[in-house]
Formats: sequence, structure tokens, C-alpha cells
Amino acid sequence: SQQGEEDPQALSIQEGENATMNCSYKTSINNLQWYRQNSGRGLVHLILIRSNEREKHSGRLRVTLDTSKKSSSLLITASRAADTASYFCATDANAQFPSGTSYGKLTFGQGTILTVHP
Amino acid sequence: KAGVTQTPRYLIKTRGQQVTLSCSPISGHRSVSWYQQTPGQGLQFLFEYFSETQRNKGNFPGRFSGRQFSNSRSEMNVSTLELGDSALYLCASSLLGDDNEQFFGPGTRLTVL
Repeated sequence: SQQGEEDPQALSIQEGENATMNCSYKTSINNLQWYRQNSGRGLVHLILIRSNEREKHSGRLRVTLDTSKKSSSLLITASRAADTASYFCATDANAQFPSGTSYGKLTFGQGTILTVHP
Repeated sequence: KAGVTQTPRYLIKTRGQQVTLSCSPISGHRSVSWYQQTPGQGLQFLFEYFSETQRNKGNFPGRFSGRQFSNSRSEMNVSTLELGDSALYLCASSLLGDDNEQFFGPGTRLTVL
């Protein structure tokens, strides 16, 4: 079963606008990552935020993490048509809970489909 | 540094056959994870290998298996293929697998007829 729930499922905006996607999860985590996927191809790693971090930036991306609410958001500023893709959050469960079973395992949300119109 | 590579990129098989997919991780990465992606179930974890040992396994039947070689390259095998095995199979590599910052390959698109 998927741990993450992403919201919205689909988002349609114009070039230049900002896009915000949200992710909620259920269990204690070590970190949370965001990925982009273009039309059934491989996943591109965007950013990783650790459980003791609250905000992280990378270029036009801003990620926040609220562990008390078990939620994260991804903001893409000044969007471009090339940002059109599916965006997934993925969580790395706390390796202590349950012990050892998080090795190599990311749990993904269902994703947000972002369409940026030129 | 070269990224994760997967071969073949596309595969068509018939029910009952078996298939082997290959993954070469980023140089220096020792952990390789495999995922299945379908429209209905999304991305689901299959298993993870580190130093030729399977350390973690998802909830898939025994028809799905894998292995890792001493150079960290990994293969996964699916035996007795079923129509429901049609999916995009993704592998991801990570330096040690403990913080799970994973980098994905382009995937192998498997179609079972």
C-alpha cells in the first residue's frame, strides 16, 4: 500500500506561475524525497529533505517538511513548459521502526500530474 | 559520472515465459533497489541488494527474484509471467542504502501478451 497521499492529483497552470504540490505520509521517517517522471520514463531525483530539516531549496524548487503533521510540500517557482511531468514524494521509513526493514525501500505516493501551458 | 543503466529498455513476452532484466548502478554505489510501476498500483518496492545480499523484500510472489554481482550490477528475474506483470520495472542505486537517496534508471517496459 502507498504511504504517501499526494494532493492535488492533477494541476494545470500557465508558464510563469508557481506550482505547489503536497504530500502526506503515515509513519515516522528518516527523510522524504521528491522525484519527477516524464511520461513513463525513469524517475529524476529532485531533492531530499531529512526529518530534522524544515525547509530546503534547490534552484526553483522549495521543499518544506512538517513532521508533526506528517506532510511535505514542493513548490516550483516560475514554472516552464518543460516542468510538465508527474511528481512523486517518497519516504524512507525510520530504520528503527520496524528494525532494519527500510533498507533500500522508498514508499511512494500516487503522484501529482503537473501540466504547464506555454 | 554515468547514471544508472537498464537493459533492455523494452521487452515483449508471452504468458508462462520468464524474463531477466539487468541494472548497472552508478559507479561506487553498492545498493540496488528494484520497483514495479503500474497504473493501478503505482510504484511498489520489489527488493534491495547490497554487497550481493538481499537485505529487504517487498510483498511480491516468489516468481520475482533477483541477485547482485560483485561489481554491484543486479538482475531481476520473473518466472511464469502473467498478464498482470506488465509494467515499467525501475532500478535505483544508492551509495550505501542507509539514507536511501536513490537514483533511478530509465526503466524496462515489460509487456506480457
